[in-house]
Amino acid sequence: DAGVTQSPTHLIKTRGQQVTLRCSPKSGHDTVSWYQQALGQGPQFIFQYYEEEERQRGNFPDRFSGHQFPNYSSELNVNALLLGDSALYLCASSHLRRGLYNEQFFGPGTRLTVL
Amino acid sequence: AQSVTQLDSQVPVFEEAPVELRCNYSSSVSVYLFWYVQYPNQGLQLLLKYLSGSTLVKGINGFEAEFNKSQTSFHLRKPSVHISDTAEYFCAVRMNTGFQKLVFGTGTRLLVSP
Repeated sequence: DAGVTQSPTHLIKTRGQQVTLRCSPKSGHDTVSWYQQALGQGPQFIFQYYEEEERQRGNFPDRFSGHQFPNYSSELNVNALLLGDSALYLCASSHLRRGLYNEQFFGPGTRLTVL
Repeated sequence: AQSVTQLDSQVPVFEEAPVELRCNYSSSVSVYLFWYVQYPNQGLQLLLKYLSGSTLVKGINGFEAEFNKSQTSFHLRKPSVHISDTAEYFCAVRMNTGFQKLVFGTGTRLLVSP
């Protein structure tokens, strides 16, 4: 059983460019969350998708947007890249069971470097 | 809102010695508590979690943590560390309802030397 997969593993962009990161959830999972982990910091919640809709969002500007597809995979898009967007972007998936605990499983992350 | 404080940014320890990594949290509602480990260039792996019930929680790799509601703490302990335990450790909380995000601390780097 493949766990959470993310692509690409690394990428380098320049300021002002746009980037798309991809995530495939663990088999049987329907909820995807994205986190940004800057160097030396803990992960910060960006947003969460369920049933192809953004359900919750953290304190990130509108330059950060996402999408969830019918197969539950997800994309994170960042427009007008800034140097400060350089970070490890983590995807986590879970299976929503209302009223019960839903464990999140993390992928290996995508390392984004903005020059 | 919830917040997590990990006071120790780095904890050096010798192999086979005991270790405690400290975590304090703040929340006005009931929360779930977690410890994750991150090895270099990897994602996060769940070590253990507290959902309810017994305040002493045992996890993988010989780690355990104790939930102390009065002190709002969830310290991680291991009686005897190995070189392979060298990694970054993150404490996290989330509300126990709905579509709730994980809120992480800034992490503690555990450095185990021979």
